[in-house]
Amino acid sequence: SQQGEEDPQALSIQEGENATMNCSYKTSINNLQWYRQNSGRGLVHLILIRSNEREKHSGRLRVTLDTSKKSSSLLITASRAADTASYFCATDAGGSASKIIFGSGTRLSIRP
Amino acid sequence: GAGVSQSPSNKVTEKGKDVELRCDPISGHTALYWYRQSLGQGLEFLIYFQGNSAPDKSGLPSDRFSAERTGGSVSTLTIQRTQQEDSAVYLCASSPGTGQTNEQYFGPGTRLTVT
Repeated sequence: SQQGEEDPQALSIQEGENATMNCSYKTSINNLQWYRQNSGRGLVHLILIRSNEREKHSGRLRVTLDTSKKSSSLLITASRAADTASYFCATDAGGSASKIIFGSGTRLSIRP
Repeated sequence: GAGVSQSPSNKVTEKGKDVELRCDPISGHTALYWYRQSLGQGLEFLIYFQGNSAPDKSGLPSDRFSAERTGGSVSTLTIQRTQQEDSAVYLCASSPGTGQTNEQYFGPGTRLTVT
């Protein structure tokens, strides 16, 4: 079964608005990552947050992690048409530091 | 610099045939992963190699699926007696190895179509 589940499954917003995607997971983790996928091909790593971190920023991206709730959120500020893609969270399986399990993804569409 | 490469990029095969998919990871990366992604779906974990350790095969969907990693580098995913439900994009990723930073670098994938 999937370790991570994203919410919502699909999101459509106006260009310039902020987009928020959520991820919930089941077991303890060492870190959580967010990836972007365009056109159903390879994924691109966006940001990694460690289990002892609560918030991390990278450009227009802001990631939060709440280990007590086993959840994370990805915020994209001032969205652009080029942000249209699918976004996945990925977690390691607790004691296994490098086996990475992906969620089902959020399909983000930015309307011009 | 060279990233992860996969070949072929597209493969069309008849039901019942065997196929081999190849992945060339980034040089020096000790961890290698195979995933399967059906249209519009998330990534399904298949198998994970880490250095010389026994691979984690827990995600392989049936005994028709197998994978090798020779010399700690190139990996081949083999699907025997292909079925139509095997149609998907097969993604390979590598990462530097164990530790706190296990960022994955993905190849472009192989799109497999079983007719």
